[in-house]
Amino acid sequence: GAVVSQHPSWVICKSGTSVKIECRSLDFQATTMFWYRQFPKQSLMLMATSNEGSKATYEQGVEKDKFLINHASLTLSTLTVTSAHPEDSSFYICSAQRGFYEQYFGPGTRLTVT
Amino acid sequence: KNEVEQSPQNLTAQEGEFITINCSYSVGISALHWLQQHPGGGIVSLFMLSSGKKKHGRLIATINIQEKHSSLHITASHPRDSAVYICAARPNTGNQFYFGTGTSLTVIP
Repeated sequence: GAVVSQHPSWVICKSGTSVKIECRSLDFQATTMFWYRQFPKQSLMLMATSNEGSKATYEQGVEKDKFLINHASLTLSTLTVTSAHPEDSSFYICSAQRGFYEQYFGPGTRLTVT
Repeated sequence: KNEVEQSPQNLTAQEGEFITINCSYSVGISALHWLQQHPGGGIVSLFMLSSGKKKHGRLIATINIQEKHSSLHITASHPRDSAVYICAARPNTGNQFYFGTGTSLTVIP
């Protein structure tokens, strides 16, 4: 099956710094990628939809200036958490869409802000 | 009301038992995914279904579009199957998934 990778798999950063998380589709081109956030013991929540070559579409309540998304190529989308705070600590997951409805999930990135 | 409901929420089984996790959804879908999330958080895509049945090793996933229901079966369960299993439904319109709250499975040796 198709493979989606995320890097890093976990990261610890200090409050006030920025962190970039990469999502790559390894063996297919993805015009659309999605970023999710998961709080402990809760389900995944869609943060934004990332389309190659255009601005991301953010879900209600997600700060676009805080969570910067760049989809610069058909195989790479990045999520940058700017001026991170401890409440941004979470598990971030991406998925990449192939074709009309095939979606493949990345393994996730655990962010801890101290 | 959640668009996707999973049952049971928690499940404990003895090694070797046959396990079934159920997922019901209320919207028309184009695809349904089963995901496995291990305690460390990493997510693995197990199946993507739009109809019928798929099998991979000891895992079997079925879907009944008319009844809006899917099941994930694990045969000859093993402690390494212990994880949270998440059902995710992709509606016919839009890109957003509806996620179930997950079923936490513990397989005891």
